[in-house]
Amino acid sequence: QSVLTQPPSASGTPGQRVTISCSGSSSNIGSNSLIWYQRLPGTAPKLLIYLNNQRPSGVPDRFFGSRSGTSGSLAISGVQSEDEADYYCATWDDSVGGVVFGGGTKLTV
Amino acid sequence: QGQLVQSGAEVKRPGASAKVSCQASRYTFTDHYIHWVRQAPGQGPEWMGWINTYNGDKYFARSFQGRVTLTRDTSITTVYVELSGLRSGDTATYFCARDRGKGDIGVFDLWGQGTEVIVSS
Repeated sequence: QSVLTQPPSASGTPGQRVTISCSGSSSNIGSNSLIWYQRLPGTAPKLLIYLNNQRPSGVPDRFFGSRSGTSGSLAISGVQSEDEADYYCATWDDSVGGVVFGGGTKLTV
Repeated sequence: QGQLVQSGAEVKRPGASAKVSCQASRYTFTDHYIHWVRQAPGQGPEWMGWINTYNGDKYFARSFQGRVTLTRDTSITTVYVELSGLRSGDTATYFCARDRGKGDIGVFDLWGQGTEVIVSS
């Protein structure tokens, strides 16, 4: 069981806006910044969003991250077929004393 | 930008140990912590711990304390993870990942390609 809760699946048609949620608690998302990773089939995870809403260079601006209270979300505006992947949220958990991840959301486009 | 290259897949018997290497290149090795994250089939990632590549300090996830060893060899810019007392639940792909280095723990901006460890009798 993952500490952070994500829906197991999400879907959209090309060009739609898709949102993936990530729910936690006061000891993790409630007090630490949220991170998102994308894992394409057969590859290692890739940093997508850090510090709740910051995109590393090279990440398309159609990816948006947000955090409010003990939950957060990843929005993909104008989803494309190449965005079909597994998405994971992560953060530091003060109670656990470590990095915790969500179980992942499989996005189908 | 950097690269992390891991050692190849391993098949181990229950109770044995597995040691995976992660060689860094194209960046200053001692500027970034290296973390280990594993992912079992069909499950979310699980963080294992980190090593300070500059001074060798380590920090482990509680669930791995006593069973995991992290080491580094700065002369060949390589980090190692060794997991002992293997059981079937340790079957997973093991990743090394570079910490972004800005004080935000968990922000991994570079990943190795992954090493599959299979535990089977």
